[in-house]
Amino acid sequence: DTAVSQTPKYLVTQMGNDKSIKCEQNLGHDTMYWYKQDSKKFLKIMFSYNNKELIINETVPNRFSPKSPDKAHLNLHINSLELGDSAVYFCASSQGRAGAYEQYFGPGTRLTVT
Amino acid sequence: GDSVTQMEGPVTLSEEAFLTINCTYTATGYPSLFWYVQYPGEGLQLLLKATKADDKGSNKGFEATYRKETTSFHLEKGSVQVSDSAVYFCALSASGGRSGSRLTFGEGTQLTVNP
Repeated sequence: DTAVSQTPKYLVTQMGNDKSIKCEQNLGHDTMYWYKQDSKKFLKIMFSYNNKELIINETVPNRFSPKSPDKAHLNLHINSLELGDSAVYFCASSQGRAGAYEQYFGPGTRLTVT
Repeated sequence: GDSVTQMEGPVTLSEEAFLTINCTYTATGYPSLFWYVQYPGEGLQLLLKATKADDKGSNKGFEATYRKETTSFHLEKGSVQVSDSAVYFCALSASGGRSGSRLTFGEGTQLTVNP
């Protein structure tokens, strides 16, 4: 059973399009995250939700909009895609919002914007 | 703000060699420290963690000790295997509070182990 799953695994699209990435966790966690990994493999947090409430919103263009319909799901919608959005996007979850809890990561979604 | 600095890679070793990947951090308060590993084409997996000073995290032969006095969390393994080839990330997580916690990652160190 996959703990944190993401769909799709690969996403190739053209500039200006709108796309969504979906994430689901079956661990019973109440906190979920989106991270972006750039071409040099550097990872940076984008958003975090706790019990469907947005608690972390980093300096991310407002073309990116997360949505959490319930504790087990966190989706990422991206409007008007740009070349610079090409990256691997990872979803993660943790048992709580405290720093000591480890985060469990999904397999990633590789987004390529052409 | 919080930051993590890892030794520059890539690192190439022969099988059974000793591994050290240096990691130092800057943070306010008492963060938790983690090492994550990313195998090719996969997501990150937790390798080990330590939540307070002098704690030693260990897993699969890897070890790291939380050193508050030197703000370090160096990763070591006595004898690496080809299957250890991956990218290793040092990370910290502050206590968070109402605004929650986030992992702040180092740059990652690519390890290649040759037979």
